[in-house]
Amino acid sequence: EVQLVESGGGLVQPGGSLRLSCAVSGFIFSDHYMDWVRQAPGKGLEWIGRSKNKAHNYITEYAASVKGRFTISRDVSKNSLDLQMNSLKVEDTAIYFCARVVTDWGQGTLVTVSS
Amino acid sequence: DIQMTQSPSSLSASVGDRVTITCRASQGIRNDLGWYQQKQEKAPKRLIYAASTLQSGVPSRFSGSGSGTEFTLTISSLQPEDFATYYCLQYDSYPFTFGGGTKVDIK
Repeated sequence: EVQLVESGGGLVQPGGSLRLSCAVSGFIFSDHYMDWVRQAPGKGLEWIGRSKNKAHNYITEYAASVKGRFTISRDVSKNSLDLQMNSLKVEDTAIYFCARVVTDWGQGTLVTVSS
Repeated sequence: DIQMTQSPSSLSASVGDRVTITCRASQGIRNDLGWYQQKQEKAPKRLIYAASTLQSGVPSRFSGSGSGTEFTLTISSLQPEDFATYYCLQYDSYPFTFGGGTKVDIK
């Protein structure tokens, strides 16, 4: 059974940093593309980035709204997909979901950016 | 970036109704489109991929059609468990983009 479990959310001040993790199981992690998607309170879904699979050298892609501030990486030894978020803004407040090829999703972790 | 315009943004319907939701892409995306159902900001569930292929386990009352720039999701006979918000997603080119969502509620 495919499982994705996000962690690391919480309250952070504007300008601060936070690192989210997504623990995966039930599939061969290195074979699959992985995505991060977020949802601001009461708003729609926003795709923010992707890590391609090992065959594609784990190349990453980002939405313009987070490019240069957010970094997606993998720890293959831990079957973990990470999202390093720097220079956080109030508008980054959202539930952050990880997903396998935008098909199988975790339950999300809430990030609140507020002073 | 490709813009996805989804309509309507909300609709009210009764159990048994036929419901149609539309997404229009700002440029051609072939059939690289998926439809998702989300309930109360929980994890979205993929219903359709490649514009018209039903995800395994999804009831056959859901169907998708279209290619290029115009796409539709149809629910042939709305059931109580279908009241939710629906999103389209284009994955033809980066950055991927979602439609704004359609909230389906009870009339």
